[in-house]
Amino acid sequence: DTAVSQTPKYLVTQMGNDKSIKCEQNLGHDTMYWYKQDSKKFLKIMFSYNNKELIINETVPNRFSPKSPDKAHLNLHINSLELGDSAVYFCASSRRSDTQYFGPGTRLTVL
Amino acid sequence: SQQGEEDPQALSIQEGENATMNCSYKTSINNLQWYRQNSGRGLVHLILIRSNEREKHSGRLRVTLDTSKKSSSLLITASRAADTASYFCATDAGRDDKIIFGKGTRLHILP
Repeated sequence: DTAVSQTPKYLVTQMGNDKSIKCEQNLGHDTMYWYKQDSKKFLKIMFSYNNKELIINETVPNRFSPKSPDKAHLNLHINSLELGDSAVYFCASSRRSDTQYFGPGTRLTVL
Repeated sequence: SQQGEEDPQALSIQEGENATMNCSYKTSINNLQWYRQNSGRGLVHLILIRSNEREKHSGRLRVTLDTSKKSSSLLITASRAADTASYFCATDAGRDDKIIFGKGTRLHILP
């Protein structure tokens, strides 16, 4: 009965490839988020999204795009992967501005 | 999924009072972070305390760490309405380079 799940947990890929990380929540939440854990292990918001509004952190390269097939899913698609994209990515969800629930994270390694 | 426990789950206090939140965790850690989440727009990093530190201050925030009890506390002094938010602790155990979040404490400052 996992609340927020991400797949895959680990992703190793070559520079230049396109990849997606999937996120699903079964909490009935209407807002989902993607975070990047930086080299100091601080979390930085990349996107927040509900069915009305997509908010993008302006520092996020446009190679990153969130895709939401339905309210329970917010996938992160990354084009033309670069070495600097290697990081841990966390998905989270909430009901409006209530407390966020986090997924376990996906470790992306770009070779 | 989120691990560790914050205590209490919710806290309401009068403006001007001090607010204390606790975080307990299960494994040995390298460091522990506290985050604030408000407005549904993402986490804001507040403070990081390393495993060899016992206390750290930042403005009105005071964080303590007791590694023997595997617990940390966040004290907010002279609370303000703007402090109303959810507060998360996140631990870095040095495994998989991932940080692990607690479930959060919802703090409400009453006028």
